Amino acid sequence: DAKTTQPPSMDCAEGRAANLPCNHSTISGNEYVYWYRQIHSQGPQYIIHGLKNNETNEMASLIITEDRKSSTLILPHATLRDTAVYYCIVRAWEKDSNYQLIWGAGTKLIIKP
Amino acid sequence: DAGITQSPRHKVTETGTPVTLRCHQTENHRYMYWYRQDPGHGLRLIHYSYGVKDTDKGEVSDGYSVSRSKTEDFLLTLESATSSQTSVYFCAISGSGRSGSDTQYFGPGTRLTVL
Repeated sequence: DAKTTQPPSMDCAEGRAANLPCNHSTISGNEYVYWYRQIHSQGPQYIIHGLKNNETNEMASLIITEDRKSSTLILPHATLRDTAVYYCIVRAWEKDSNYQLIWGAGTKLIIKP
Repeated sequence: DAGITQSPRHKVTETGTPVTLRCHQTENHRYMYWYRQDPGHGLRLIHYSYGVKDTDKGEVSDGYSVSRSKTEDFLLTLESATSSQTSVYFCAISGSGRSGSDTQYFGPGTRLTVL
């Protein structure tokens, strides 16, 4: 089962910041938080990942709470092309599954003009 | 985008026929993965490879086999396709696979329909 909880859907106005929350209250100390997105059945696209510090790249920022039980993906200036399903994934780090990304249902983000 | 191609991109076949899907990478990554995605769901791991001729099972491996005879190619075979294997299949690659920070990059997918 997925180790994360995300809202099933969200709306955001074009040009505004989109803030996508993720709850991972059972995360272990050596587990990373990954974000991917999938645009209309295309292959999933890597966005960002982090362990405990906040991270930023050209696509997004990742804010992880101090207790690491939740995180927020921020798309600073959303465009219509950011409409997609966004997946928050905790990288399983168990002996028999340390190669897997455990995918949940994700958040359907709709950017509105 | 990572250099990953999948072929065919679309295939329709009949129950009981064998089917082989191909994943090709130009990144010289060690790890390769096959996932399936069903409507309204996230991806589920079928098999993965951690080197030439080295493969292991994932979460949903029943009815599937894989082979990797060279670094750049990872083949997924359905020996006798069933309607429950109708799905979209994604290939992924990663550099090491053994680090919590190892990132997987995905191909464009193959849409398989088994009638």
